[in-house]
Amino acid sequence: EPEVTQTPSHQVTQMGQEVILRCVPISNHLYFYWYRQILGQKVEFLVSFYNNEISEKSEIFDDQFSVERPDGSNFTLKIRSTKLEDSAMYFCASSEYAGGTDTQYFGPGTRLTVL
Amino acid sequence: QQQVKQSPQSLIVQKGGISIINCAYENTAFDYFPWYQQFPGKGPALLIAIRPDVSEKKEGRFTISFNKSAKQFSLHIMDSQPGDSATYFCAASYSGGTSYGKLTFGQGTILTVHP
Repeated sequence: EPEVTQTPSHQVTQMGQEVILRCVPISNHLYFYWYRQILGQKVEFLVSFYNNEISEKSEIFDDQFSVERPDGSNFTLKIRSTKLEDSAMYFCASSEYAGGTDTQYFGPGTRLTVL
Repeated sequence: QQQVKQSPQSLIVQKGGISIINCAYENTAFDYFPWYQQFPGKGPALLIAIRPDVSEKKEGRFTISFNKSAKQFSLHIMDSQPGDSATYFCAASYSGGTSYGKLTFGQGTILTVHP
């Protein structure tokens, strides 16, 4: 069964450093998402991406964040200058269609720890 | 306006019992209500979803009940099994306007089913 994959599974970084989280969505999917989950809290939407541009972003997704689809298979989330409060589990998701009613398939997540 | 409120935070059920998790939403534009199941170390996985044109949807032991006028929906797990022990998230999204599938999640319910 096709699945979303994410690397690395755990990333430890120093405050102020740049990190890039990588995702490989399901191959025929066209819509891509990043969510984050701070330990013990709910899953929060960060950004959606379609046709090589951001479709929607939350207030969390400020200028420190960026997303990119550098090739036909990868989808990345970059945090330019990490803060302690960026420590969280980051989930990539993809869906074949959009419009809010198509199933989003989530990857296993990358745990980001900012020291 | 965008919140989805979920209760209870945690739930302990005996094997064979019924697990009930409730969610309430505020945004009447929401038109898709999925439930996600998350095991430790894994990403959320779609369990079952409903649209507001029906009041109930059943898939195996899992049933969603939907009350549009009360803006509430709930997940019922019949004959609960120890393997159902996981965190359950309700979510909501809408398909109109500029939405590209952003999911708004509830706070999550940690379900423990004792053998």
